[in-house]
Order: sequence, then C-alpha cells, then structure tokens
Amino acid sequence: DVKVTQSSRYLVKRTGEKVFLECVQDMDHENMFWYRQDPGLGLRLIYFSYDVKMKEKGDIPEGYSVSREKKERFSLILESASTNQTSMYLCASRTSGAAFDTQYFGPGTRLTVL
Amino acid sequence: AQSVTQPDIHITVSEGASLELRCNYSYGATPYLFWYVQSPGQGLQLLLKYFSGDTLVQGIKGFEAEFKRSQSSFNLRKPSVHWSDAAEYFCAVRNPGGYQKVTFGTGTKLQVIP
Repeated sequence: DVKVTQSSRYLVKRTGEKVFLECVQDMDHENMFWYRQDPGLGLRLIYFSYDVKMKEKGDIPEGYSVSREKKERFSLILESASTNQTSMYLCASRTSGAAFDTQYFGPGTRLTVL
Repeated sequence: AQSVTQPDIHITVSEGASLELRCNYSYGATPYLFWYVQSPGQGLQLLLKYFSGDTLVQGIKGFEAEFKRSQSSFNLRKPSVHWSDAAEYFCAVRNPGGYQKVTFGTGTKLQVIP
C-alpha cells in the first residue's frame, strides 16, 4: 500500500527558530511536493521536486527552502520561523506519466509558531 | 493561469439525501481534473479524476463527477450521502502539457446530519 509519512503531526516552535519538516515516501516516486493549507485558501504549493537534488518554486516559496538528497525524502525548511507560517503543511508524491497522475498525501504537520 | 473555484464553502445535507458539490475551472483547453477528499485530521485522498473520454467519471466511495466543457465545470455528485462522507472536498486542476503543478480550489466542507 502506498505510503507518505511526515515526521510530526504537531509541532510548536518559537519565532526565529529554524524548523525542519520531513517527508518520506515508499513508492519510488520521482515527484514530491510541499503544500500549505489554510482555512479559506485551500492548498497552496510551496515547492516541488521532480528528481533528486532538483527543486522548483511553487506559488508561495518566500520564507521556505527545501532539500532532496535522496529520492524518498523531501524536507521543507523554515530558515527563521515567523508567526505567519503557522499552518498545516502537507507533503505529497506522485510518479511521472499522465496515466498515473495521482498525488498521494501524507497526514500533515500542524505547525504553530509562537 | 489556471484557477479553480468552489463557490460553496460549507454544505449541510441529511443522511440519505443526494449531494452535488460545484467546481468551476479556468483554463484555455481541457485540463486534467480531480476531486480529493480530506477527512478530519487526515491527508487528502483522491476520489476520481478526468483526463479525456467519457465525461461522466466514476470514483471511489460511490462518488461520480461530470465534466461539462461548455460550463467549465466538474461537479461532484453522490446519490445518497452517508454520515461517513462528512469531510472537506477539494477540486483540483492540472495543465496536461505543463509542469507537475496542480491548482486546488479552496474546498467545500460537508456536514451530514441524521
């Protein structure tokens, strides 16, 4: 069964801290994504990666960076957390090829920045 | 740029009643279209998708959606709602010829009353 796991379900950090959110998939997917979910705004794409060490900015990359050193792992980094980054963060993965165009989501990490 | 509109933020239906969730998209050609469901505390799960061909698409959990090119719509339907269908539903669109980026609507929260 396909699986996307995220390192934490809930996380509380202080303003200015460096925050790492980890995502691991066991499906050998090429593509991985980080979204931010806020009430009334739906899901917004922060960054995505289509291969190891490759990354592309999404719609709201400011204040975030990513790392993909291994195919199965995609990390989201908040260099200096701010209160406006309090949100639910969702990781997703998908394989390449239109026939398999399904994103598989992790359960999410609810981050609170105080 | 592609966009998705879900005009209903919140819908309440009685158990056993029929359901229709609206989705309108903006895109120059026919995009790939998706409906995802998010149960409380969970990640998103794909209900169904449309790429081409038959405009009536069947999905999991008894859901279906109909693509109407003339109305730029992809509405989700279910003939008889169950209490377990209470969740948030997201419509999404992807450019078939472009990047991996998927654009999500803002979501419709479904409440089911006995």
